[in-house]
Amino acid sequence: TAGITQAPTSQILAAGRSMTLRCTQDMRHNAMYWYRQDLGLGLRLIHYSNTAGTTGKGEVPDGYSVSRANTDDFPLTLASAVPSQTSVYFCASSEQGANSPLHFGNGTRLTVT
Amino acid sequence: GQNIDQPTEMTATEGAIVQINCTYQTSGFNGLFWYQQHAGEAPTFLSYNVLDGLEEKGRFSSFLSRSKGYSYLLLKELQMKDSASYLCAVMDSNYQLIWGAGTKLIIKP
Repeated sequence: TAGITQAPTSQILAAGRSMTLRCTQDMRHNAMYWYRQDLGLGLRLIHYSNTAGTTGKGEVPDGYSVSRANTDDFPLTLASAVPSQTSVYFCASSEQGANSPLHFGNGTRLTVT
Repeated sequence: GQNIDQPTEMTATEGAIVQINCTYQTSGFNGLFWYQQHAGEAPTFLSYNVLDGLEEKGRFSSFLSRSKGYSYLLLKELQMKDSASYLCAVMDSNYQLIWGAGTKLIIKP
């Protein structure tokens, strides 16, 4: 089944440790996104990529980095985790165009202790 | 600043109709999206409006008034499986999506 795969599903991480959240899509979408979702808040964009080889900062990029070496993969790295990064992280992709809906992965639930 | 407002929670009865409102203040407008998100799952796309008026898609309809900065999602013949959060998102002039916090809809038998 075509779609977006995220890994891991959940993770408990000690503060100060690093971690990479993986995201792979097989729909050949050019645009990919990383969001975090926290209770009582709307989805907040961390980083995005409009096409392979390019990335951009979203609303809340501090403490996170991304790369886009190819069309399919868009990993998100936390270099030194802090408790405020406890959240549910969603990767998404879309075709180009303002009216193109986002396709979301199933999310990674991250707890930083 | 940019803002999307939705009610936090609504309750409705199985078989009834419910209207979920969304008001927005954004820098420009390039369309409004509605997504459904069941607890513990990913959001899934429901509808897209860019012109004023009503878009109907089965039991779900979405309405837009750009002059009023207002949209609503109308759900008819409610089923228990419609219990979910409904997210409103507006694409601004920079083609960035601004998200509301979502409306949790509880369906009672």
